[in-house]
Amino acid sequence: QVQLQESGPGLVKPSQTLSLTCTVSGGSISSGDYYWSWIRQPPGKGLEWIGYIYYSGSTYYNPSLKSRVTISVDTSKNQFSLKLSSVTAADTAVYYCATTPDYRFDYWGQGTLVTVSS
Amino acid sequence: QSVLTQPPSVSAAPGQKVTISCSGSSSNIGNNYVSWYQQLPGTAPKLLIYDNNKRPSGIPDRFSGSKSGTSATLGITGLQTGDEADYYCGTWDSSLSALVFGGGTKLTVL
Repeated sequence: QVQLQESGPGLVKPSQTLSLTCTVSGGSISSGDYYWSWIRQPPGKGLEWIGYIYYSGSTYYNPSLKSRVTISVDTSKNQFSLKLSSVTAADTAVYYCATTPDYRFDYWGQGTLVTVSS
Repeated sequence: QSVLTQPPSVSAAPGQKVTISCSGSSSNIGNNYVSWYQQLPGTAPKLLIYDNNKRPSGIPDRFSGSKSGTSATLGITGLQTGDEADYYCGTWDSSLSALVFGGGTKLTVL
């Protein structure tokens, strides 16, 4: 069974870039079985899909965030990463990584809280 | 405001049945598969239902899904206190070109 673990700074200053990494175990990113997604959830609110990447490097982003998002993959480390630029307090959220076959999310990481504050 | 509309809360007694609705449009539910997720307090969401009505391995048959037109429904029978959670529906929206979720429904087992 695939397991995912998010990691990265828990505090980011406004206008800076949020950077997170998702480490995959129990399966290979290069298997081609999944797209690899990032999803976020502001405190007390609902879920928002950020985007996903395939092992080949092809990406698809939520149009609402596209101008600020970059998702990349490192198959040698079995990791994929998220960068979100020009953050504001509205980007404060729990960020999850997840596997995405056929427009659903099968396996999720435990999530990591990122707070945007000076 | 979410693209998919869910009731904010539902409640029922232990042992009873409850349904949670998810309403959308032809650009999302009407032409794409729906999935459902359970989020227990303080934990990550968990896939309950996919492709409208299929259950992943390990999900009990107390949980069921259905779809009709531009709406989907999650059903839970034999309610247990451990079912208290937030439930989200999700699908692809062709107009937005994005994966979208409902706003979530909080289930209380009285």
